[in-house]
Amino acid sequence: LAKTTQPISMDSYEGQEVNITCSHNNIATNDYITWYQQFPSQGPRFIIQGYKTKVTNEVASLFIPADRKSSTLSLPRVSLSDTAVYYCLVPPGSARQLTFGSGTQLTVLP
Amino acid sequence: EAGVTQFPSHSVIEKGQTVTLRCDPISGHDNLYWYRRVMGKEIKFLLHFVKESKQDESGMPNNRFLAERTGGTYSTLKVQPAELEDSGVYFCASSQGFGTSGRVYEQYFGPGTRLTVT
Repeated sequence: LAKTTQPISMDSYEGQEVNITCSHNNIATNDYITWYQQFPSQGPRFIIQGYKTKVTNEVASLFIPADRKSSTLSLPRVSLSDTAVYYCLVPPGSARQLTFGSGTQLTVLP
Repeated sequence: EAGVTQFPSHSVIEKGQTVTLRCDPISGHDNLYWYRRVMGKEIKFLLHFVKESKQDESGMPNNRFLAERTGGTYSTLKVQPAELEDSGVYFCASSQGFGTSGRVYEQYFGPGTRLTVT
């Protein structure tokens, strides 16, 4: 199981781009990188998943360098409603369950 | 399409009592998971069902916890007898599959049941 490390907290202002980096030095060949978002009093919500290079959807972009030992979740032009905890997960290829770390508490300020 | 629902949203019981939590997954999702977060800790996996079968219950803390999924639809998680350390938020999630070749299927989480044992 690849151990992930991400900042405990980050602050940003409305309209800025936010980049949250996660390190996963011992990622295995078949592992994908997955990000979840959790608002207060709600369950986690899937944001994006990727294996290499760049993945983009309507919510975020995920940048993964060639060595795959880290990844960066990019949130364009954040708003107050993006205040949440963001989790970086690297489930083993055979995994069924998700293993959550502490996540990154993103606070968007007006 | 309805999401994952959990009932109750909040339960307050006394130590030694029994509580049953219910989870209704998204229709058609064979995979159902239970997780919990106890105060100040990280979200931890409890167990995984595929249809009505328990695939992995390695995260269940002890035999006071019993999960069932009769008929492969909704699931219940019973805590009997409840202890103070069982307080926390219990999440249920469901997914269509569980992943192949490293790609993990998206899990859809419910809002959780907040359990308080006094």
